[in-house]
Amino acid sequence: KAGVTQTPRYLIKTRGQQVTLSCSPISGHRSVSWYQQTPGQGLQFLFEYFSETQRNKGNFPGRFSGRQFSNSRSEMNVSTLELGDSALYLCASSFLGPGRNEKLFFGSGTQLSVL
Amino acid sequence: ELKVEQNPLFLSMQEGKNYTIYCNYSTTSDRLYWYRQDPGKSLESLFVLLSNGAVKQEGRLMASLDTKARLSTLHITAAVHDLSATYFCAVDGVGYGGSQGNLIFGKGTKLSVKP
Repeated sequence: KAGVTQTPRYLIKTRGQQVTLSCSPISGHRSVSWYQQTPGQGLQFLFEYFSETQRNKGNFPGRFSGRQFSNSRSEMNVSTLELGDSALYLCASSFLGPGRNEKLFFGSGTQLSVL
Repeated sequence: ELKVEQNPLFLSMQEGKNYTIYCNYSTTSDRLYWYRQDPGKSLESLFVLLSNGAVKQEGRLMASLDTKARLSTLHITAAVHDLSATYFCAVDGVGYGGSQGNLIFGKGTKLSVKP
């Protein structure tokens, strides 16, 4: 069974640009959540999608957005990149969603560097 | 403010020794999760603890949950080098910026097991 796949693995962008990250969940999983990981702030929740609907959102500015497609694949977009957006972005999938007594299965992440 | 505090944040131990990582949290959640992250890799789910007094063991790792004390422990028995990784605990962020679906992670405990 294939795991959670995130693409691309690495990205280098400059300030002001926008970026789109992709996540393909484990087959059959309907929930996809996104986390930002930085050395200073640790792991922070961005948002969660379930059956194409955003079900929960963390405390990030509106520059961070996402969506989920009918096949459960998800994308997140960051517009007008700032230096502080440099981070590892992790996607996680599960059948019911985080906090519902299940394990989350994480992808390998996309390492974003903003110059 | 919801806090999840792990200690120690760094742990260097010798093979064969025992040690405990502590996770204190400020929410009333009765669910707690432990994850492992190897350098440059993604997060792997270790344990899902669903009730007060829950104890789970796998190999040299044993996790327990005391919801009254708002404390979870991850005990390492007879450490081996392969256990070197960063260990995170996480709780549901229910009522804190969202409903179920928002996991709040501790800062992580970086464990280094030396021969």
